[in-house]
Amino acid sequence: GAGVSQSPRYKVAKRGQDVALRCDPISGHVSLFWYQQALGQGPEFLTYFQNEAQLDKSGLPSDRFFAERPEGSVSTLKIQRTQQEDSAVYLCASSPRVHYEQYFGPGTRLTVT
Amino acid sequence: AQSVTQPDIHITVSEGASLELRCNYSYGATPYLFWYVQSPGQGLQLLLKYFSGDTLVQGIKGFEAEFKRSQSSFNLRKPSVHWSDAAEYFCAVGRGNTGKLIFGQGTTLQVKP
Repeated sequence: GAGVSQSPRYKVAKRGQDVALRCDPISGHVSLFWYQQALGQGPEFLTYFQNEAQLDKSGLPSDRFFAERPEGSVSTLKIQRTQQEDSAVYLCASSPRVHYEQYFGPGTRLTVT
Repeated sequence: AQSVTQPDIHITVSEGASLELRCNYSYGATPYLFWYVQSPGQGLQLLLKYFSGDTLVQGIKGFEAEFKRSQSSFNLRKPSVHWSDAAEYFCAVGRGNTGKLIFGQGTTLQVKP
């Protein structure tokens, strides 16, 4: 079956621009996670959805970061007024239930110039 | 604070040699432990996981890992490495009510012919 997909795969933004990153989880997966992976580092948790409810956003680095999953399926991570330090790979993962393995998408590489 | 440590940033082994990648965690409760592999430009693929039960866990691609509570370790092993195993390896702990993953910084595996 289809895995987790993310779009775009690559995004170049000028500093100050807004960007939107999309995640299509595996159909029927209740849990959806966003992670940020800086170059040479392990992924770091950003936010978690259970269906359409955002239950944990403790990892979002600033109020410029906003995520939504309005119908409990597709999710969008939005970054407003991008800064150079936002350059990273943004990974989305979904899972059929809590404390189960997470299935990762290929990521979106964001470069802020 | 919970953390995951992978002491080896970079490891080089010869093809056919055995491999052990180290992982230590700091977590008070019984942990959910994972090993993921990431090839260049790819998302994360789950190699194996430990939730409970037998402390020696078998995974895909001939990998195994052993959970040692007394040492707070979850080391990854493979008896004979193949050139295609060259990649970045991440150890992770699932925590909290959401199961969000806390990752180590990763170990880069290089395989010599």
